[in-house]
Amino acid sequence: AQSVAQPEDQVNVAEGNPLTVKCTYSVSGNPYLFWYVQYPNRGLQFLLKYITGDNLVKGSYGFEAEFNKSQTSFHLKKPSALVSDSALYFCAVRETGGFKTIFGAGTRLFVKA
Amino acid sequence: GAVVSQHPSWVICKSGTSVKIECRSLDFQATTMFWYRQFPKQSLMLMATSNEGSKATYEQGVEKDKFLINHASLTLSTLTVTSAHPEDSSFYICSAGGNSGMVYEQFFGPGTRLTVL
Repeated sequence: AQSVAQPEDQVNVAEGNPLTVKCTYSVSGNPYLFWYVQYPNRGLQFLLKYITGDNLVKGSYGFEAEFNKSQTSFHLKKPSALVSDSALYFCAVRETGGFKTIFGAGTRLFVKA
Repeated sequence: GAVVSQHPSWVICKSGTSVKIECRSLDFQATTMFWYRQFPKQSLMLMATSNEGSKATYEQGVEKDKFLINHASLTLSTLTVTSAHPEDSSFYICSAGGNSGMVYEQFFGPGTRLTVL
């Protein structure tokens, strides 16, 4: 069965500093990996996905993520954080050929001015 | 990406009543619809998966008689919470899934906040 782990409940970073939100996964076969962001009382906004190809995936709002197969990780990164990036971030995984997307527990990002 | 809408965006109801939530895929043929629920400060938990014209498949622990799912067309799915109780208060998010070219895509609705008094 597929699973996703986000080991940090919360990440705090100062504005202008780089940020990393961690994600590891477990699937049988090759994964499809996703990052979503959620603002209070709002639905999910898609940030980026890895299907195949380059391990470094660039997404919306300056975010990027690196797929590392040997470490089964898909960490979300941004070179310079903004206060407006403060939100709840979800990593998600789907098995290749599968239909269910499973979400991690979420990591709350606080960016301090 | 495709646009998925939900109606209503929020609803307050009395305990014991039923509430219907609509999920529409506006520009995407959703062969599969997914319903998630999210408790405050928690992750999205998949409740059920439905294929167009078929009965929904419920995840373990989800009461199929309480959460009725209908997926009558490629653009519309409904979730009915029957005899709602305060513990059913949650944020319900639908997702439309289907093939877009060679890739299976999944798009999420904005969510519906249900409060049961």
